Amino acid sequence: EIVLTQSPDFQSVTPKEKVTITCRASQSIGSSLHWYQQKPDQSPKLLIKYASQSFSGVPSRFSGSGSGTDFTLTINSLEAEDAATYYCHQSSSLPITFGQGTRLEIK
Amino acid sequence: QLQLQESGPGLVKPSETLSLTCTVSGGSISSSSYYWGWIRQPPGKGLEWIGSIYYSGSTYYNPSLKSRVTISVDTSKNQFSLKLSSVTAADTAVYYCARSFYYYDSSGYYYAEAFDIWGQGTMVTVSS
Repeated sequence: EIVLTQSPDFQSVTPKEKVTITCRASQSIGSSLHWYQQKPDQSPKLLIKYASQSFSGVPSRFSGSGSGTDFTLTINSLEAEDAATYYCHQSSSLPITFGQGTRLEIK
Repeated sequence: QLQLQESGPGLVKPSETLSLTCTVSGGSISSSSYYWGWIRQPPGKGLEWIGSIYYSGSTYYNPSLKSRVTISVDTSKNQFSLKLSSVTAADTAVYYCARSFYYYDSSGYYYAEAFDIWGQGTMVTVSS
């Protein structure tokens, strides 16, 4: 099973700041890494697929990069509505696995 | 616009079987492009993939749950279902259904893609 480790677990940031969340895979997964945003009491929403492809309708301040074992989700010019928990997800091999999540608090 | 909606009992007794249904609206579950999955999230914790099914009935399960899980599809009702047997308190979670694209490589190995559409989730508590 591929283990995904996100860092940090929690981050408190101010609006307009740039935020970087990382996801490290326990073995190479190519670019089969996807990012989701989950707000309280809501289902996860797809932000980025295949490491760097923005999903339809996602604001351009969200971007992704990386390949192999190290991946990054970047949020440029953070907005208050970006307060949420962010998860990475690998689809390179079964079982499908998710990172433990990174909770983003807006100061 | 395709939507997914989970339904089923919110309370299940220990050792019994949890049964949930996901109804697909605004599109056909019989599309050849997608697998349909179940993912769960215990309170305050992260996401765990349970398994996925194709409209033909082909399934993939998480080995950690495989012995207790059955996922089935009813194309006539545009629904797919989850059964989880011998539940304990550890199975208390919000259960989501979701859609993903997929592909098979030249060796016939299955690859899921991102889950692009999710249901709103349904909370299931295991308690006597």
